[in-house]
Amino acid sequence: GAVVSQHPSRVICKSGTSVKIECRSLDFQATTMFWYRQFPKKSLMLMATSNEGSKATYEQGVEKDKFLINHASLTLSTLTVTSAHPEDSSFYICSASPAGSSGNTIYFGEGSWLTVV
Amino acid sequence: AQSVSQHNHHVILSEAASLELGCNYSYGGTVNLFWYVQYPGQHLQLLLKYFSGDPLVKGIKGFEAEFIKSKFSFNLRKPSVQWSDTAEYFCAVNPNTGTASKLTFGTGTRLQVTL
Repeated sequence: GAVVSQHPSRVICKSGTSVKIECRSLDFQATTMFWYRQFPKKSLMLMATSNEGSKATYEQGVEKDKFLINHASLTLSTLTVTSAHPEDSSFYICSASPAGSSGNTIYFGEGSWLTVV
Repeated sequence: AQSVSQHNHHVILSEAASLELGCNYSYGGTVNLFWYVQYPGQHLQLLLKYFSGDPLVKGIKGFEAEFIKSKFSFNLRKPSVQWSDTAEYFCAVNPNTGTASKLTFGTGTRLQVTL
């Protein structure tokens, strides 16, 4: 079946540095991908909608300059957490739907654990 | 904008007991509805989804859910739970627009099944 892959699955970075998380659709093209954040024992909160070839759409309260999203191709979206701080430590998850499919076909990545020390 | 409510935050059941987890949504148009499960330390897995047709949807692992449009509900059920069903369960909704649209998740229900 269709697969969405995230890399890295776990990353530890120092406070003040930046870290990039990749989300790839392995066997389909996705014009739109979504980035979510999940705190321990909490639900998933949508951060932004990543649009291929255009700017991402951020949800209210999400700093676009801190969470940089790039969707340079139909199979890859990246989330860069800039100047990371310990409060950015979280589980980041992406999802994608095949281009041309209806909104009920959604594939999630395995998620990326970010720990900022 | 859509919203999702899961009223049961933590449910404890004995093995073989029946399960029903509530999910209500708010949205003015037609929707796609989903139930996901997240086992401890693992990523999301789709249990089932509804987008059209028969409002009673059967999913994996013996789960089913019924979409009741008049009640804006999509409750998850399982006749007999197993210890391995211990996990976090999330209901989610997105607008049925025919294209990719963002999912809104409920706060989740933690199910604990005891032996």
